Order: sequence, then C-alpha cells, then structure tokens
Amino acid sequence: DAGVTQSPTHLIKTRGQHVTLRCSPISGHKSVSWYQQVLGQGPQFIFQYYEKEERGRGNFPDRFSARQFPNYSSELNVNALLLGDSALYLCASSPLAGRGETQYFGPGTRLLVL
Amino acid sequence: AQSVTQLDSQVPVFEEAPVELRCNYSSSVSVYLFWYVQYPNQGLQLLLKYLSGSTLVKGINGFEAEFNKSQTSFHLRKPSVHISDTAEYFCAVSDSWGKLQFGAGTQVVVTP
Repeated sequence: DAGVTQSPTHLIKTRGQHVTLRCSPISGHKSVSWYQQVLGQGPQFIFQYYEKEERGRGNFPDRFSARQFPNYSSELNVNALLLGDSALYLCASSPLAGRGETQYFGPGTRLLVL
Repeated sequence: AQSVTQLDSQVPVFEEAPVELRCNYSSSVSVYLFWYVQYPNQGLQLLLKYLSGSTLVKGINGFEAEFNKSQTSFHLRKPSVHISDTAEYFCAVSDSWGKLQFGAGTQVVVTP
C-alpha cells in the first residue's frame, strides 16, 4: 500500500509570494495533520483535519490556512511568505483522530523562501 | 498543557555499544507517548508508542522504551547500535485529538 505522499518535494519561493502544498493520506485514513519543521528543531503542529473539519490549529498566523477534500487529501496554503517560513512541511495521516492514534508521516515538502 | 523535554541534543556512540535517549514529559492527564525516528532527508517513522498497560514497550529495529510515571520519563534504549541507527530521534506526547507535541530531538551519531 502507498504511504502518505506529498507534493512538491522541493520548492523555492521569494518573499511575499504564495505557496500551496499538497498531501494524499494513506487509503482509508480520514485524519490529516500538518507540521512545520524548522532546521534543527522538532516538528511544530499547524493544523489537523478530520472528516473535512478542522479539529485543531497550532500557534501560526492567519497567513497559514488548510483544507481537506472529500477524498481526504489536503492542501496547506501559506500567503505572504516570509524568510522564516523556510522549513520542511510534513503531512501525517491516521485512520481516526484521537489520543493514541499512530500518525504516519510523508517525506515532506522542503520550502526555501528567498 | 502537555509537553516533552529531550535532555540530550546529541549522543555520540560507538557501533555495537548501547544507547539511551532521555525524554521527560509533563501532563495533567493520562499520557500517550511516542518515539519517532527521522533519517536524513526523510519524514518521521514510528519506533514505538505507549498507550497503557506494560510499562516496557518494544518497538521496531530492536528499540525499547520504559514508561516511568513517578519520574515522568519515557527513555528510549537499544542494547547494541548499528551505523544505520544514525538519525534524529523525537519523543512526542499526544493530545485528545491525536495532535503530537514533539521534543527538540536527539541526534544520534554512530561511529565505527
């Protein structure tokens, strides 16, 4: 079975631009979460969606938004990019949304903002 | 609020030697704890998790961890490491929706 897939793998943008990152969960998984991992740090939670509804939002500005589609895939959008948005963006999926659910991570999208 | 603290940022270890990675947690409710590994330029892979029951949890690749409620710790151990264990290791705690709060990570460098 295919794991979590993310696209693109790498991306270079300039300050002020907008970016869309995409994630396809493991088949049958209904929950998708997004994490930002800045170089040298642990992943930080951005969003969680379950059954197309937002279930949680981390401490990120409104420039960050996301959605989940009927097929459970998800997009993460970032507007007005800043240099500090340069990071590895990880998507994770799980069958359900609940304490103890194992989250399966994709390989990530590496975003560089110049 | 829940959080985890990884006490070592980097752990150098010789091949075939044992290794222990330390993780302490803070939580006001029952904890669900995880260890993930991240190989260079890859995503995260689950090593093991503690939900309830036996405090000694066995995971993949020969890793195990012990949940200690009195010391609020969840340390990861492997009796004999290989070069291929060189990676970054993250301890994490789960909230009620499954959101993970990660520690800062421990870089394990295995040398011959």
